[in-house]
Amino acid sequence: EVQLVESGGGLVQPGGSLRLSCVASGFTFNTHAMSWVRQAPGKGLEWVSVISGSGGDTFHTGSVKGRFTISRDNSKNTLYLQMNGLRAADTAVYYCVKGRGAWLYLFDYWGPGTLVSVSS
Amino acid sequence: EIVLTQSPGTLSLSPGERATLTCRASESVSSRYLAWYQQRPGQAPRLLIFGSSSRAAGIPDRFSGSGSGTDFTLTISRLEPEDFAVYYCQQYGSSPVFGQGTKVEIK
Repeated sequence: EVQLVESGGGLVQPGGSLRLSCVASGFTFNTHAMSWVRQAPGKGLEWVSVISGSGGDTFHTGSVKGRFTISRDNSKNTLYLQMNGLRAADTAVYYCVKGRGAWLYLFDYWGPGTLVSVSS
Repeated sequence: EIVLTQSPGTLSLSPGERATLTCRASESVSSRYLAWYQQRPGQAPRLLIFGSSSRAAGIPDRFSGSGSGTDFTLTISRLEPEDFAVYYCQQYGSSPVFGQGTKVEIK
C-alpha cells in the first residue's frame, strides 16, 4: 500500500523558513517523480515543485522560484521542500504527491497534507 | 499558460441523479493530458480519471470522462452519498494547472 506522510508544517513569521519532509512507502521511490502541491485555505489546488526520480531534474512554479528548493533522499525514501523567504501568500496545506508511471505531473497518490501558516 | 475554467461552480443534485461537470481550456489540450480529481471534505484529493477517459485504479465505473480539444466532461452516472465533493480538472502535459473546482452538493 502506497503511503505518503508529510511533516514539518507550522506557524512561521513572514521572511522565515521551514523545511517540509515526506516519507514514502509501498512503492519503488527512486523510479517516480514526486511533487508538492498546495491548497490555500478555502481555495483550489496549485502545483508548487517537482523532482525527477533520480533527483537530477527539478522545476518550480514561478511564484516560488528562488525561494523554495525541492530535493529527495532516495536512500531514505524521503522528499523535502525547503521554503525560505516565506510570505503570507504561501499559507496553505502542502501535499506530497507521487507521479504516476513516467509522468511528472500526473498525481496518483497524495499524502494527508501539512499546514504551513505564515503570519506575524 | 493554459487556463482551465470549470463549470458550474456549484452543482446541487440529489443522490441517484446524474452529474455533468465541464472543464474548458483556454487553448487546445491533448486529451492524453487531462485528468480529474475528487476532494472530499477534510481529505486530500484523489485521482479519478487520466488521459481524459481512463479510470484510475479502484474508481467505480459510474465515473466517466470524455472530451477533446478545449472541452472536457466528467460524468457521474448515479450520485452516491460519498460522491458529494469538490472536483478538479488538471492539465498535466507541461506547466501543470488545475481548474478552480466544481462543488457537487446535496440538494
